[in-house]
Formats: sequence, C-alpha cells, structure tokens
Amino acid sequence: DTGVSQDPRHKITKRGQNVTFRCDPISEHNRLYWYRQTLGQGPEFLTYFQNEAQLEKSRLLSDRFSAERPKGSFSTLEIQRTEQGDSAMYLCASSARDSINEQFFGPGTRLTVL
Amino acid sequence: GEDVEQSLFLSVREGDSSVINCTYTDSSSTYLYWYKQEPGAGLQLLTYIFSNMDMKQDQRLTVLLNKKDKHLSLRIADTQTGDSAIYFCAESVTGKLIFGQGTTLQVKP
Repeated sequence: DTGVSQDPRHKITKRGQNVTFRCDPISEHNRLYWYRQTLGQGPEFLTYFQNEAQLEKSRLLSDRFSAERPKGSFSTLEIQRTEQGDSAMYLCASSARDSINEQFFGPGTRLTVL
Repeated sequence: GEDVEQSLFLSVREGDSSVINCTYTDSSSTYLYWYKQEPGAGLQLLTYIFSNMDMKQDQRLTVLLNKKDKHLSLRIADTQTGDSAIYFCAESVTGKLIFGQGTTLQVKP
C-alpha cells in the first residue's frame, strides 16, 4: 500500500504524559499536513511542511505541541503534558506541489487522554 | 476570516438525488473540495472545482459553484445506501484546507 500511513492508530495516555505520533506520507509528495478532528467537527488545520520547512502553524498549536519533518520525509507530532482537551483524532495528509493541492489523508491516530 | 458552513444532516430515500450545501468566506480560494468520510475510514477526496468554473460533473456527482454568493453544492444523483457517510466541503487557503463541520447523509432503503 502506497498511501499515507500513521502510527500508532490508537493511543491512550494519562493526563500529563507526553505522546508522539508518526506520519509517513506518499513517497513523492513534498507537502505534509497535520489536522485535528474532534467528534462531530470537521478537521482543523494544525501545521504544514514543505519538504523539511515548517511553513505555517495554527493558533491551535500551543507551545505544548511540536512537529518536525527532519529529512523531508516522515513527520512526528509531539504533545507534551497532555490534557483531556487534547483527546481527538490526529490526521496527517500529504500532497504534491501542484496547483490542485489534492491532499491524501492517512487513517489518523486516535488519542484518548484519561 | 476563514469559515466554512454546512447543514448538519440530510436524509433521502435510495434512488433520489441528494443535494448538500456549503458556504465559505475566503474569496481568494483557488480550489474548493468535497471530501467523504465513512465510519472508521479516512477522508477521501470525492471531487474538486476550480474557482473560475461554475459547474463540474463527474459521473453521479455534480458540483455547482456560485462565486458571487460564495456558495458551493454537491448533488449526488441516484443516491445509494453506500453513499451514507459524512460529507465535508473545504476551501484551500494558503495551502491549508479549511473544512466545514460536515453533513451526515442518511440514505434510507
């Protein structure tokens, strides 16, 4: 399968713990995006990378959140000192650098903070 | 600001047409998109329309765009039970997608 993959698919953690998620984009895609989706809502943009450069961060991305894409391939999203309000589905998407910007989404990582 | 609004729920009978509506605010969006999300599955791009078009047809799907009113619609002809899902419209703003809250389509046999 050559689609976007995310790991883990599910994560349960206790409040105050740190968690890290990984996203592997489609191999020839140079853009990578992170979104968060809560129940009953559409995905909300968090941040995106073009190659290894982080080009935009949402105001939703507090200082507890950090994302990296060190070699322009896979990306990690880390949440420090998790809070119950961080419970959500974290979605990763990738796209090729073209005008259509068709974004292909991974299956997501569902985070539950107890 | 950036905002996309959709009605939350639509119920139709199998074989009827479904029309899902969306309004957006950013007039600079170059492309507008419709995504489908089924339970337990990822988001799937259904179709998109370039902002200088007013209609696009793709098999059973018809997208209408009224740029003056910033109104987008998705028509599904001959709706099937397999079309039951949540449908999101989205606009592209500086590379990122801004999504609506999604319309749940229920198809009754």
